Amino acid sequence: GENVEQHPSTLSVQEGDSAVIKCTYSDSASNYFPWYKQELGKGPQLIIDIRSNVGEKKDQRIAVTLNKTAKHFSLHITETQPEDSAVYFCAASIDRGKLIFGQGTELSVKP
Amino acid sequence: DGGITQSPKYLFRKEGQNVTLSCEQNLNHDAMYWYRQDPGQGLRLIYYSQIVNDFQKGDIAEGYSVSREKKESFPLTVTSAQKNPTAFYLCASSISSRGSSNGPKHFGDGTRLSIL
Repeated sequence: GENVEQHPSTLSVQEGDSAVIKCTYSDSASNYFPWYKQELGKGPQLIIDIRSNVGEKKDQRIAVTLNKTAKHFSLHITETQPEDSAVYFCAASIDRGKLIFGQGTELSVKP
Repeated sequence: DGGITQSPKYLFRKEGQNVTLSCEQNLNHDAMYWYRQDPGQGLRLIYYSQIVNDFQKGDIAEGYSVSREKKESFPLTVTSAQKNPTAFYLCASSISSRGSSNGPKHFGDGTRLSIL
């Protein structure tokens, strides 16, 4: 079955710097790749997603890139702010009802 | 505002007891999901339902049961057969898992279950 690996598990950056989180997936049939942000004590929030027919997608300071050949996708956050501090999860899906999640990255943005 | 309400926020279970976690949504979404989250791990799918009166097992369904009698409600029962139930449980919904949406878009704020 599908397996998703996420790195790094923790990431600390200075405010204003960029942050990059990477995920790899095992099943080449995966066609949907969302990213979620989870704040302490809260449920995850969908922040951006990409489908397999697109190589890159941007939404203000957040972007996601997909390399289908290498089977990896990445989340890029530019001009980081303290409120970006949270746990970020990637996921991959073949069946639209079933997502396989990565292990999470705890991002800390230091003022 | 529309959203997903999970209750209670904290729940304690004695050995051998069944407990039921509530999940209600007022988003008029067809699909609903239950995930389990353990420390340092990603979310794992327990059960999902694409439509009322229908549900499918996820990757870790053993020891859990669900019902979907109403569109807005998808309760999860953690049975005594679940030997390691201590975890953070998240309910989610999406417009339709067969439509243009893909997987859960909205999550509740979770229920933390602990064993006494």
